[in-house]
Amino acid sequence: NAGVMQNPRHLVRRRGQEARLRCSPMKGHSHVYWYRQLPEEGLKFMVYLQKENIIDESGMPKERFSAEFPKEGPSILRIQQVVRGDSAAYFCASSPTESQPQHFGDGTRLSIL
Amino acid sequence: SQQGEEDPQALSIQEGENATMNCSYKTSINNLQWYRQNSGRGLVHLILIRSNEREKHSGRLRVTLDTSKKSSSLLITASRAADTASYFCATPPAGANSKLTFGKGITLSVRP
Repeated sequence: NAGVMQNPRHLVRRRGQEARLRCSPMKGHSHVYWYRQLPEEGLKFMVYLQKENIIDESGMPKERFSAEFPKEGPSILRIQQVVRGDSAAYFCASSPTESQPQHFGDGTRLSIL
Repeated sequence: SQQGEEDPQALSIQEGENATMNCSYKTSINNLQWYRQNSGRGLVHLILIRSNEREKHSGRLRVTLDTSKKSSSLLITASRAADTASYFCATPPAGANSKLTFGKGITLSVRP
């Protein structure tokens, strides 16, 4: 009964490169959420997806960031042309329905050189 | 501005003592949730209290909710060194159950 799996745990990119963060939700969970956490801060909501659909992307920057949750496979958070300010921990969570508590993965720590 | 704001920012207690953490929020909510985060790990859901509930218990955890004051408290009784972590309150805005808003968290240190 695996929890939410995120990979990689750590990702290092140079400015201008692309970063791809993967999230496999818990079995039976079709709702996926992405959050970003800066040091000493709480998590900030980015995007909410439900199989193949983006439900709420109000927390995601309009440029360079995109997310998907295909019918088959993990959810992907993609950051193009990364900048230093993108350095953060990115957490994925999943839930079986929208109203039930979210279960979090251990995050991907993204460092931009 | 933050929807949920916790206080104190940091709390240090001796093992066996009780720890009380507070959270205030600004807008109407359907429920309020408390999470724990150990260093370098993801968040673990502790307890959810609905807007029509005033108090809820789970093991050594006791949560209260005062919607008139827009505040909640989390009490951990008989603390253990393993309770050392950051604690966050989270609120989904009414009508948007999925979009959790977190405060900056409370760093709890329990000295053995």
